[in-house]
Amino acid sequence: GAVVSQHPSRVICKSGTSVKIECRSLDFQATTMFWYRQFPKQSLMLMATSNEGSKATYEQGVEKDKFLINHASLTLSTLTVTSAHPEDSSFYICSAYQSGHKPDTQYFGPGTRLTVL
Amino acid sequence: GQSLEQPSEVTAVEGAIVQINCTYQTSGFYGLSWYQQHDGGAPTFLSYNGLDGLEETGRFSSFLSRSDSYGYLLLQELQMKDSASYFCASMTTDSWGKLQFGAGTQVVVTP
Repeated sequence: GAVVSQHPSRVICKSGTSVKIECRSLDFQATTMFWYRQFPKQSLMLMATSNEGSKATYEQGVEKDKFLINHASLTLSTLTVTSAHPEDSSFYICSAYQSGHKPDTQYFGPGTRLTVL
Repeated sequence: GQSLEQPSEVTAVEGAIVQINCTYQTSGFYGLSWYQQHDGGAPTFLSYNGLDGLEETGRFSSFLSRSDSYGYLLLQELQMKDSASYFCASMTTDSWGKLQFGAGTQVVVTP
C-alpha cells in the first residue's frame, strides 16, 4: 500500500518556540492532506484540511494563526505549531488522500508526538 | 452536526468473537470506515461500507444499515495482537475524504 511519512516522529521543545511537522506522501500524489490531533486515550480530532496550492480549511475552534498549514506540492504538507505551549502537547497525525479514489485510499502517517515543556 | 457513538471498552478471550457497534448522526452521510490503532501508532484502515450490508475482509467484517444509522465491526478468532483501539469514522458528501471519528473502543484480549 501507499506510504505516508511524518517528520519528526518525536519533538520536545520549550514553551514559546515554533515547531514544524512535515507530512509526505512517498509514492503517490496527494491532492488533499488532513491534519489530526489526538490527546491520550482520546479520539482523532480533525484540525484542518489541506489542499495543494490553496489555503487550508480549519475546523471550528482551531486557531489558523497558531497552526499554520502549507501544502506547497502534491507530496508535501507542513504543520507549524507557532508559539507552542504545554497544552499543545499532543500526537499530531496527518493523512493523505488521492482525489477520485475510494474512501479507503486515505493513508495515515505514523504521527508526531509533540511535548512542550 | 455529526456524532458517532461506540462503546468505550470491550474485553474478550483469545479465539472469541467481538462485535463493536457504532451509531451515527451525520448529515450528508456517505459511508462508514473502521480503523485500528495500537498504542502510540497510527490508525490503520480495516474496512469500509458505502452500501448497506456486510463487507468481509479475513477475520474482520463490517456491516452497515443506513436506515438505522448503525454499523458494526466484527472481529473473529480474536488474537492477542488484536488488543488495540478501534474507531468508526464517517464520511460525508460535502467533503470527500474528510473523516469524523468516533471516540474509539478499547478492545482487550485476554489469554
